[in-house]
Amino acid sequence: QKEVEQNSGPLSVPEGAIASLNCTYSDRGSQSFFWYRQYSGKSPELIMFIYSNGDKEDGRFTAQLNKASQYVSLLIRDSQPSDSATYLCVSRALTFGSGTRLQVQP
Amino acid sequence: ETGVTQSPTHLIKTRGQQVTLRCSSQSGHNTVSWYQQALGQGPQFIFQYYREEENGRGNFPPRFSGLQFPNYSSELNVNALELDDSALYLCASSLVTTANTEAFFGQGTRLTVV
Repeated sequence: QKEVEQNSGPLSVPEGAIASLNCTYSDRGSQSFFWYRQYSGKSPELIMFIYSNGDKEDGRFTAQLNKASQYVSLLIRDSQPSDSATYLCVSRALTFGSGTRLQVQP
Repeated sequence: ETGVTQSPTHLIKTRGQQVTLRCSSQSGHNTVSWYQQALGQGPQFIFQYYREEENGRGNFPPRFSGLQFPNYSSELNVNALELDDSALYLCASSLVTTANTEAFFGQGTRLTVV
């Protein structure tokens, strides 16, 4: 089992909708997680990190962490075509999931 | 801009050759991690250096080696290049704290082995 697992997608949502990206992890000792966005041909850029159970909001982005279920998610509200990218879930140990490709249809 | 720079940005090498990739960390960061990212895949951890010592290694053969210098810049060396080594190589610098470890990436080096 991979340490961090994501559905590769693509996840396709219409412009203005909520995009929900999910990640599960196997190491119960992992305390914090990061979401990175990677545009094609570019390096990953940090969007958010979360280390407490519950929700963390930053603008259109909300990260959710459920340590009991070993589940992390990223919600993008009012999705824009510019949000189309691969989203990578990363544990504190800097272990990356394989990423979910998001396509926002105008 | 993340303050992490990698060189070169693109490189073409022949199978069997050796290559050195370089990374300058963000100021104040003491840790550097190297990743290999094949097309359509997430970054795969190669190794990490903390204060000039290797601090973890992924599932890569010994022909992948590295160095971290006193100024925390770093090199990734790959010997006996194989076609499958063609990938984007990413360097990430971070400041390890007890709370969290945000990593900031350079723009990557695109290596093509022919």
